[in-house]
Amino acid sequence: KAGVTQTPRYLIKTRGQQVTLSCSPISGHRSVSWYQQTPGQGLQFLFEYFSETQRNKGNFPGRFSGRQFSNSRSEMNVSTLELGDSALYLCASSWTSGGAHEQFFGPGTRLTVL
Amino acid sequence: AQTVTQSQPEMSVQEAETVTLSCTYDTSESDYYLFWYKQPPSRQMILVIRQEAYKQQNATENRFSVNFQKAAKSFSLKISDSQLGDAAMYFCAYRSAVLSGSARQLTFGSGTQLTVLP
Repeated sequence: KAGVTQTPRYLIKTRGQQVTLSCSPISGHRSVSWYQQTPGQGLQFLFEYFSETQRNKGNFPGRFSGRQFSNSRSEMNVSTLELGDSALYLCASSWTSGGAHEQFFGPGTRLTVL
Repeated sequence: AQTVTQSQPEMSVQEAETVTLSCTYDTSESDYYLFWYKQPPSRQMILVIRQEAYKQQNATENRFSVNFQKAAKSFSLKISDSQLGDAAMYFCAYRSAVLSGSARQLTFGSGTQLTVLP
């Protein structure tokens, strides 16, 4: 079974631009969560999608948004990029939402904002 | 809101020795799940072990075991017979058993960087 894939793996943008990151979950998984990882703030939850519906959102500004398609693939978008958005963005999928179910993580997208 | 604290930013262990990574958490809930994730230099996070709070028995997975002290809100990870491949950042994480809203999310600690010395 293929693992969670994220594209692109690396991205360089400038302030004010927008960016879209993509995540393909493991086949059969319906829940996709996004996390931002930075040296200063650690791992912070962005949002979770389940069956095309946003189930939960972390404490991030409205510039961060996402969506999930009928095939469970998910995208996250960051508009009006700021220097502080430079981070590793991790996507994780699981069979269902919450509980003891394991979240399987992708390799991440490294975003650098100049 | 729940918080997870890992007080050891860095740890080192000799190959074949045993090391224990500490984790404490703060919650008012009685039912929840605890996880240890490993993030090696390749950056792909993988689950090491999980514990259901309602289970008194400590979870074990081969060389990995936990010491779960519910009253003390402590969840330490013990790695026995350490191997070079165990070198990684280890994250402790908490998730509520409540299946609504923000309860579904994983709350992570700040991580412990483990170095394995040959």
